[in-house]
Amino acid sequence: ETAVFQTPNYHVTQVGNEVSFNCKQTLGHDTMYWYKQDSKKLLKIMFSYNNKQLIVNETVPRRFSPQSSDKAHLNLRIKSVEPEDSAVYLCASSIGVNQDTQYFGPGTRLLVL
Amino acid sequence: LAKTTQPPSMEAYEGQEVNVSCSHTNIATSEYIYWYRQVPHQGPQFIIQGYKDYVVNEVASLFISADRKLSTLSLPWVSLRDAAVYYCIVTARGSALGRLHFGAGTQLIVIP
Repeated sequence: ETAVFQTPNYHVTQVGNEVSFNCKQTLGHDTMYWYKQDSKKLLKIMFSYNNKQLIVNETVPRRFSPQSSDKAHLNLRIKSVEPEDSAVYLCASSIGVNQDTQYFGPGTRLLVL
Repeated sequence: LAKTTQPPSMEAYEGQEVNVSCSHTNIATSEYIYWYRQVPHQGPQFIIQGYKDYVVNEVASLFISADRKLSTLSLPWVSLRDAAVYYCIVTARGSALGRLHFGAGTQLIVIP
């Protein structure tokens, strides 16, 4: 049963535009994550948020910015997208920052033309 | 962080038992072994975790060698729904960063 929700499912945009992806978890978890999965299906962590505080930033480009209104929501904004940003963006959550069992959403597929 | 090595792909017929191996020769004493799987158009899903010996749950079983350098995920009676990429991850439990480092995984192909 889905408990990590992501919107939109797909997004097609042009280089230079701004996009925003939403993520919500209904598990009551304290920690949320954003991962990027590239065309080779490799998953890489981008950000971690523990109870609204950023705890990890994997040196992603500055045009990426996570936004959290509360511990159940973690959005991702990309200013001025570039072709290499085309990927699947996966949101996940875990009970706490020390818990490695993470629950993933279905992902948002971004295509930058 | 220990590096893991898995076969890139495997094939099995429906109803067979499948064993997916993972080598983690540099695993540290603080590190645990986790298995996730990802089906197309979905995010990864946790399967099982273990530290040593043998672990079993309703989905799979996990055998870990005595020196902890090799683990094997066993899936009984695979069906078409088990076709997915299986990821073996080694990470320290309680790490302050809470990150999972995914490798390339093993693509399991299930033949009807």
